[in-house]
Amino acid sequence: SAVISQKPSRDICQRGTSLTIQCQVDSQVTMMFWYRQQPGQSLTLIATANQGSEATYESGFVIDKFPISRPNLTFSTLTVSNMSPEDSSIYLCSVGGLTYGYTFGSGTRLTVV
Amino acid sequence: QKEVEQNSGPLSVPEGAIASLNCTYSDRGSQSFFWYRQYSGKSPELIMSIYSNGDKEDGRFTAQLNKASQYVSLLIRDSQPSDSATYLCAVNSNAGKSTFGDGTTLTVKP
Repeated sequence: SAVISQKPSRDICQRGTSLTIQCQVDSQVTMMFWYRQQPGQSLTLIATANQGSEATYESGFVIDKFPISRPNLTFSTLTVSNMSPEDSSIYLCSVGGLTYGYTFGSGTRLTVV
Repeated sequence: QKEVEQNSGPLSVPEGAIASLNCTYSDRGSQSFFWYRQYSGKSPELIMSIYSNGDKEDGRFTAQLNKASQYVSLLIRDSQPSDSATYLCAVNSNAGKSTFGDGTTLTVKP
């Protein structure tokens, strides 16, 4: 299965600022997925990132708040913009899919103060 | 009703016992089912997948699927303290969507 390097692993940010999370995959993949896991809760899909096209966002998530880049088949970034304490969460990138399940990056633990 | 429901636990079993984790889902058209293990502070790790009714065994893990009852379970035999983690059930629907349950926290006591 693919190996994903995700960084930063954690960060503490001031409200109103932005943080960009990076994910690098060791093989080429068509789709990358960005999830959020709030404390004590399960995984919520933010968006699906395809190379060469705009990301597809799930209900409740918008591009202005969570812009995503996918410049090639091995890399993607998620930016959390204009952060508030409610954005404090773990953010995970993943690859894989519906048939065989997902492999996740190590996660970014974000705290907004 | 949540799309994927799991007992929140915590579930506590003694070392060597069988741990039984349960999951129900609402979308009758769901086709593939997964169990992920998530250690505290770590990301989820895929441990089992099942696609057809019946049992699927992999080492100490057995996944069971009953589509008529919309029920999937994970049995862990000879539970070890290292099995202590949160177990997430995930269900993939025909609509191309993967939905995760909230997870069941398992503690295996030595």
